[in-house]
Amino acid sequence: AQSVTQLDSHVSVSEGTPVLLRCNYSSSYSPSLFWYVQHPNKGLQLLLKYTSAATLVKGINGFEAEFKKSETSFHLTKPSAHMSDAAEYFCVVSDQIRTGRRALTFGSGTRLQVQP
Amino acid sequence: NAGVTQTPKFQVLKTGQSMTLQCAQDMNHNSMYWYRQDPGMGLRLIYYSASEGTTDKGEVPNGYNVSRLNKREFSLRLESAAPSQTSVYFCASSRRPGQVDDEQFFGPGTRLTVL
Repeated sequence: AQSVTQLDSHVSVSEGTPVLLRCNYSSSYSPSLFWYVQHPNKGLQLLLKYTSAATLVKGINGFEAEFKKSETSFHLTKPSAHMSDAAEYFCVVSDQIRTGRRALTFGSGTRLQVQP
Repeated sequence: NAGVTQTPKFQVLKTGQSMTLQCAQDMNHNSMYWYRQDPGMGLRLIYYSASEGTTDKGEVPNGYNVSRLNKREFSLRLESAAPSQTSVYFCASSRRPGQVDDEQFFGPGTRLTVL
């Protein structure tokens, strides 16, 4: 069975400083991994995805994530935080559960606060 | 393209009342999904529809029913609402379920309170 652990429920950074949101996963097969962002009272928007190609994945708004199979991690980073990055971030693993069917498992989320 | 739309945005029900949440997508996607989001938890799958005419249970289906009306529309019904169903409900759709790079697109959500 697959699972996702987001190691921090809240992260607070100052504007212009680096962002690190941590995610560990477990999966029986070869998973796909995603990061989604949710701004207040909005739906989820895809930031980036890993699908067994390059292990360093670049996404929108300057975010990137590195897939590390040996550490079962998929941490999200950004070199310099912006006020507009304040939101909830979800790490998601997609795994095949039967032929033609993949299931998503969501982490519990990390709320990113950006201080001026 | 509107993407995935949901109605209503907000709803307050009394225990025992029924209601239907509507979802539509204009991206010609095959699969559609209903999730609920509770505080401190990620999204959990209620029901999904892999293609028009098929539906299947997800992780938390009890107390809900769904209808895949056509390729565009997927509705979620609460027959007898309970306070435990107070949540934010998200509809999503995707083009190629079963493919490793399949991405789900989400609607803006319906915030439901059951008193």
